[in-house]
Amino acid sequence: EVQLVESGGDLVQPGGSLRLSCAVSGFTFSTYWMHWVRQPPGKGLVWVSRINIDGGSTTYADSVKGRFTISRDNAKNTLYLQMNTLGAEDTAVYYCAREAAYTGIGDYWGQGTLVTVSS
Amino acid sequence: SYVLTQPPSVSVAPGQTARITCGGNNIGSKSVHWYRQKPGQAPVLVVYDDSDRPSGIPERFSGSNSGNTATLTISRVEAGDEADYYCQVWDSGRDHPWVFGGGTKLTVL
Repeated sequence: EVQLVESGGDLVQPGGSLRLSCAVSGFTFSTYWMHWVRQPPGKGLVWVSRINIDGGSTTYADSVKGRFTISRDNAKNTLYLQMNTLGAEDTAVYYCAREAAYTGIGDYWGQGTLVTVSS
Repeated sequence: SYVLTQPPSVSVAPGQTARITCGGNNIGSKSVHWYRQKPGQAPVLVVYDDSDRPSGIPERFSGSNSGNTATLTISRVEAGDEADYYCQVWDSGRDHPWVFGGGTKLTVL
């Protein structure tokens, strides 16, 4: 069974940092692109970042570029999102999702982890 | 960047057909995917590549895509179909590969 489980969400002060993790099982992690997508409270889905199968190619939404870093450890079947200089606008549920390379399809998603940025 | 436009809400009686649109410039040239999200849950893929269904998704869910509009059609709507629905495309030529529509709240009357 395919599973993606996010963790690391927390209440953090403005300007702070946080690292999210997404532990996967039930599929060959190293053959899938991976994404982070966020959803502010009461709002829609917003794409955040993508990483290719070996971590050699990453891309970010303009709103997080320079502050967030996506990475992966294929040996540990885990995806990460390092978030720095957090602001209130980063408050959201963060989902990880997998994509079979070059399909554009997010066929499995995790249950999400909540990040709240507030003083 | 590419923009997808969805109606904020659609209402339909049980047993009727719901149609949720997703507008975008020449969207017919792209592959469109649809996700269902129930409150407090993760998105679930219900239609991919315009009109294909993942395993486990009922045949009541179908899709089409032409010109500037893609459409998700849910036939014989049930109370359990009430959810938010999002369209998404892969903008392969740009640095922002996944683009989502704003979402449509489907209400079953």
